[in-house]
Amino acid sequence: GENVEQHPSTLSVQEGDSAVIKCTYSDSASNYFPWYKQELGKRPQLIIDIRSNVGEKKDQRIAVTLNKTAKHFSLHITETQPEDSAVYFCAAGDSWGKFQFGAGTQVVVTP
Amino acid sequence: GAVVSQHPSWVICKSGTSVKIECRSLDFQATTMFWYRQFPKQSLMLMATSNEGSKATYEQGVEKDKFLINHASLTLSTLTVTSAHPEDSSFYICSAAGQLNTEAFFGQGTRLTVV
Repeated sequence: GENVEQHPSTLSVQEGDSAVIKCTYSDSASNYFPWYKQELGKRPQLIIDIRSNVGEKKDQRIAVTLNKTAKHFSLHITETQPEDSAVYFCAAGDSWGKFQFGAGTQVVVTP
Repeated sequence: GAVVSQHPSWVICKSGTSVKIECRSLDFQATTMFWYRQFPKQSLMLMATSNEGSKATYEQGVEKDKFLINHASLTLSTLTVTSAHPEDSSFYICSAAGQLNTEAFFGQGTRLTVV
């Protein structure tokens, strides 16, 4: 089955700096890689996703890159703001919504 | 985006009793729904895949007789935690995907506390 590893587990950044979270996956059949932001006690919210036929995708301050050969994908948040503080999860799976999640990264943005 | 509603949002039950959690897709038909469990400060762990009109597929290590899943219609899946014990206390979240190449939508989650 799929195994997703996520690093780092915690990330502290100064407001305005960039944050990068990295994930690796094991199953070459995975073709969909979403990133979720979860605030305490709430449901995960999709912030960006990428499919296996695309290498990079950007949405305002958020970007995701995918290296299929190396089975790596990364989340980049630029110009971080205090409201970006949350737990971020990467996931890998298929387009039908079956995912394996990474362990999560607690991001803290300090003013 | 599409709306997935989960009920109840939180429940407290006594050890040994059963609890049913509902997951509904409100504005789309969900052929497949997924059930996840999340312990405090941990990741979401996939428990099972629920297919409308057929038996659920459980992940390794998840007891199918303890976590009963029913997906009787295209808009409703239920998870019943039978003979609940304190170690079953967790955050249970469902997700649903409508059609191929669309994102999965999560319910708001159910906080289960077994006392």
